[in-house]
Amino acid sequence: GAVVSQHPSWVICKSGTSVKIECRSLDFQATTMFWYRQFPKQSLMLMATSNEGSKATYEQGVEKDKFLINHASLTLSTLTVTSAHPEDSSFYICSARVTGRHVRGTDTQYFGPGTRLTVL
Amino acid sequence: AQSVAQPEDQVNVAEGNPLTVKCTYSVSGNPYLFWYVQYPNRGLQFLLKYITGDNLVKGSYGFEAEFNKSQTSFHLKKPSALVSDSALYFCAVRKGGGNKLTFGTGTQLKVEL
Repeated sequence: GAVVSQHPSWVICKSGTSVKIECRSLDFQATTMFWYRQFPKQSLMLMATSNEGSKATYEQGVEKDKFLINHASLTLSTLTVTSAHPEDSSFYICSARVTGRHVRGTDTQYFGPGTRLTVL
Repeated sequence: AQSVAQPEDQVNVAEGNPLTVKCTYSVSGNPYLFWYVQYPNRGLQFLLKYITGDNLVKGSYGFEAEFNKSQTSFHLKKPSALVSDSALYFCAVRKGGGNKLTFGTGTQLKVEL
């Protein structure tokens, strides 16, 4: 149980275009989802916390107008990289926190497989 | 502020030998501690966690970790390493009741024949 999927797994786009990445919790509901960015051989950097039905909370230094996050349902959050540039090339990983009193592992975040974005 | 330190960038161990990946943390209040493993070009897989209770936590694939409050440590261990354990390991901490998970810089584990 507690599977998180991401789509697409990789994407190549031209500079100036926008890219949408989907994150889904497949077998549980997630009130809170998180978006991370990982540079090669580095740790995960939290970009934003996404709460279902409300605006995302962005970490300091992350441009909310560039990285649009929508969490429209308890199983889906999307990250849109707008007007992408080569410096946005990275590995983007989402995670979902299991919620609910009767669900085992309610304090655990489960991670998606990641999306490799390359901006030419 | 909460933080995690993984002092070793890389750990090398021979297959069949025990392995330890070190982690120390700093957080106000009760710590929730986690270990994740990442294979190349993949997301993170949950290994184990400490929330409360027994200080020795057993997780997936034969891994275990021991919570030591006095030393603020949560080292990952396995009695007998496998080549397939070679991967990048992340320790993470979250304050009890908090939302933000803070990761260490990761330790590359290399298990050789």
